[in-house]
Amino acid sequence: DGGITQSPKYLFRKEGQNVTLSCEQNLNHDAMYWYRQDPGQGLRLIYYSQIVNDFQKGDIAEGYSVSREKKESFPLTVTSAQKNPTAFYLCASNPGGTSGRGDNEQFFGPGTRLTVL
Amino acid sequence: SQQGEEDPQALSIQEGENATMNCSYKTSINNLQWYRQNSGRGLVHLILIRSNEREKHSGRLRVTLDTSKKSSSLLITASRAADTASYFCATAPSGGYQKVTFGTGTKLQVIP
Repeated sequence: DGGITQSPKYLFRKEGQNVTLSCEQNLNHDAMYWYRQDPGQGLRLIYYSQIVNDFQKGDIAEGYSVSREKKESFPLTVTSAQKNPTAFYLCASNPGGTSGRGDNEQFFGPGTRLTVL
Repeated sequence: SQQGEEDPQALSIQEGENATMNCSYKTSINNLQWYRQNSGRGLVHLILIRSNEREKHSGRLRVTLDTSKKSSSLLITASRAADTASYFCATAPSGGYQKVTFGTGTKLQVIP
């Protein structure tokens, strides 16, 4: 089955800890994205990557970090510098990347719900 | 800041009725997309309409786009209880092709 997986589904973090959220896709997509969703809100872009070994800050990058060492993987680390990390985190991908091919329809993973204790 | 704003924020209808949701945006776009999200799940892409298109259909979905008013509408005909979900519009700006911006969503409840 092709798709995007995120793990874990639920994550609990103590204040002051860094945590890493996993995102893997086997769709052979170039572009990958991380969004944050707060209750009753839309999605806000944290980071995105159009190609391996390259990524850009989104609208709310402070307190987060990412890496893109492999095409299939785009992990997100929520650092202790993120003051209000409790939220639902969504990873997405699309085929386009820097080639610009196709439309930028996004394929989403099932999400990770992070709670700070 | 959010590019798209959906209206209404919440909508409750009886099964079989039509549901209409609206989206307004601020800047020029390459395309506009609609997504659906069931509670606690990821988003699912429903339909994409390009800036040079005015109307598009997919099954029970009808999307219109008015670039002069910077607005779009999503119509779900003959709604079913399974259509209960949140619906989001997302805009891809001209020149910022790979980055889409999501609106705040419309929460639809279809009562059986």
